[in-house]
Amino acid sequence: SQQGEEDPQALSIQEGENATMNCSYKTSINNLQWYRQNSGRGLVHLILIRSNEREKHSGRLRVTLDTSKKSSSLLITASRAADTASYFCATVIGNQGGKLIFGQGTELSVKP
Amino acid sequence: DTGVSQDPRHKITKRGQNVTFRCDPISEHNRLYWYRQTLGQGPEFLTYFQNEAQLEKSRLLSDRFSAERPKGSFSTLEIQRTEQGDSAMYLCASSLGGLAGGPDTQYFGPGTRLTVL
Repeated sequence: SQQGEEDPQALSIQEGENATMNCSYKTSINNLQWYRQNSGRGLVHLILIRSNEREKHSGRLRVTLDTSKKSSSLLITASRAADTASYFCATVIGNQGGKLIFGQGTELSVKP
Repeated sequence: DTGVSQDPRHKITKRGQNVTFRCDPISEHNRLYWYRQTLGQGPEFLTYFQNEAQLEKSRLLSDRFSAERPKGSFSTLEIQRTEQGDSAMYLCASSLGGLAGGPDTQYFGPGTRLTVL
């Protein structure tokens, strides 16, 4: 069974706008990762945030983590049509790495 | 860096047939993972290897599923007596393994899409 729930399930915005996706999870984690998946293809790792971190940036991406609320958010600033994809959060439990537990994903559509 | 490769990319089979998928990880990676993804869902963990040892198997991996990584390099996933419910995308990922308990970034292949008729 999947640990995470993502919100919203689908998001449609105009190019240039910001996109925010949220992820909630159930159990304590070691780290949380965000992945992107273009239609019918493999997943691309975007960013990893450890359980003792609260915020992380990578280019136009900003990730926050609130372990007290068991939630994370991914912000994509100044979105582009090429950002159109499904975005998944995935959690790692324990301290040995290992399996990722994915949420159900947010389908982002950026209209030019 | 050639990335993770999977073969075949698509497989159509009839119910009851056996199928085998192959995954070639990034060459220096010691961990290899298999996931299954159905339409509109996130990937679900199936199993993973550290070198040639299979360290964890999901309850999703019924007796009809078997995975191997004989020399700690490529891996195969076999499904025997396929059922229509096995139709999904099968994803492989590899990683270096977390150093001293640190994070373990997984790199995914393009997947094998299985359709069982």
